[in-house]
Amino acid sequence: SQQGEEDPQALSIQEGENATMNCSYKTSINNLQWYRQNSGRGLVHLILIRSNEREKHSGRLRVTLDTSKKSSSLLITASRAADTASYFCATAHPGGSNYKLTFGKGTLLTVNP
Amino acid sequence: DAGITQSPRHKVTETGTPVTLRCHQTENHRYMYWYRQDPGHGLRLIHYSYGVKDTDKGEVSDGYSVSRSKTEDFLLTLESATSSQTSVYFCAISERSGTVNEQFFGPGTRLTVL
Repeated sequence: SQQGEEDPQALSIQEGENATMNCSYKTSINNLQWYRQNSGRGLVHLILIRSNEREKHSGRLRVTLDTSKKSSSLLITASRAADTASYFCATAHPGGSNYKLTFGKGTLLTVNP
Repeated sequence: DAGITQSPRHKVTETGTPVTLRCHQTENHRYMYWYRQDPGHGLRLIHYSYGVKDTDKGEVSDGYSVSRSKTEDFLLTLESATSSQTSVYFCAISERSGTVNEQFFGPGTRLTVL
């Protein structure tokens, strides 16, 4: 069964605005990752946050993790038209198969010029 | 997509025919995965491999089999294709270092079963 659930399912903003996407999961994690998928392409890894981390930055990306609420958020600041894509969270869970990831259904972000 | 190729990229086939999709990597990563992506379902794991000849089932494995005879190749076979297997199939690879296990994805194969 899928763990990560992104919210909202779709988001439309203007260029220059910030975009925030949320992810909730059900059971304890080793880490949580965010991926981007441009239309017709494979997923691309953006950022990983470990379970003992609360916040992480990478360029215009900021990820937060609240393990008590089992949720994460991805903030894209000063969005550009090129950020238009689907964004997925993926969780890695403790156990023998902790190399596997469970993906959510994604948030479709549209950045209008 | 560097280091991971999938073939074919597009395929149209008839119900009941066998189909094999190939994933090839040049990264020498240990772990390989097959996912399918469908509207409303996101990415779902079909099968995965944790080494040569070592494979296991994912959450949607019925109707699929896999083989990995070499580190670089992971084959996905639909024994007898059905229309419900029309989908976009992605291969991914990863290497584990501690708890870091990011995955790298191939470009995908669009399969249509008529």
